[in-house]
Amino acid sequence: EAEVAQSPRYKITEKSQAVAFWCDPISGHATLYWYRQILGQGPELLVQFQDESVVDDSQLPKDRFSAERLKGVDSTLKIQPAELGDSAMYLCASSSPGQGPYFGPGTRLTVL
Amino acid sequence: AQSVSQHNHHVILSEAASLELGCNYSYGGTVNLFWYVQYPGQHLQLLLKYFSGDPLVKGIKGFEAEFIKSKFSFNLRKPSVQWSDTAEYFCAVPAYSGAGSYQLTFGKGTKLSVIP
Repeated sequence: EAEVAQSPRYKITEKSQAVAFWCDPISGHATLYWYRQILGQGPELLVQFQDESVVDDSQLPKDRFSAERLKGVDSTLKIQPAELGDSAMYLCASSSPGQGPYFGPGTRLTVL
Repeated sequence: AQSVSQHNHHVILSEAASLELGCNYSYGGTVNLFWYVQYPGQHLQLLLKYFSGDPLVKGIKGFEAEFIKSKFSFNLRKPSVQWSDTAEYFCAVPAYSGAGSYQLTFGKGTKLSVIP
């Protein structure tokens, strides 16, 4: 069964450092999402892509976060500089019409 | 914007007990609803979804949910839980975002602990 891949699974960094997360969606899924899940809460949408275009990044803190999906397949989410409050699980998901969203295993970020 | 609320933060049950997890939605128009499950150390998985039609929706692993419009509810049920059902359960409401895709707004989740 096809799955959404994410790496790394865990990342520990110091505040003010830069971090990057990678996501490879299910093959053929044109829609890709990045969600953030703070411990004890439900996931919250950060950004949605349709192919290589951003559909919605209204909840992305653009002063420090950036996301790209240059070829409309895999995607990278970057934080620079990281802050203590960015500690969370970062989830990638993908979907196609009538299917999903399907979620990846996530990257757990700890900022020290 | 639509939202969902889950009032039970943590539910503890013994094996074979019946389960009902509450989910209430805020919008009175056309409503679609999802339930996701997150087992310890695993990714979010779709349990079931309601778009229209029969308000009683059956999902995977013996779960079902009933859409009750008059109560703004979409509660998740299972007649007899097993230890393996220990997980966190999230109710979510999708908002159509074009090209057949949906953005999900999640509730805060309910952690279920099943005691053997």
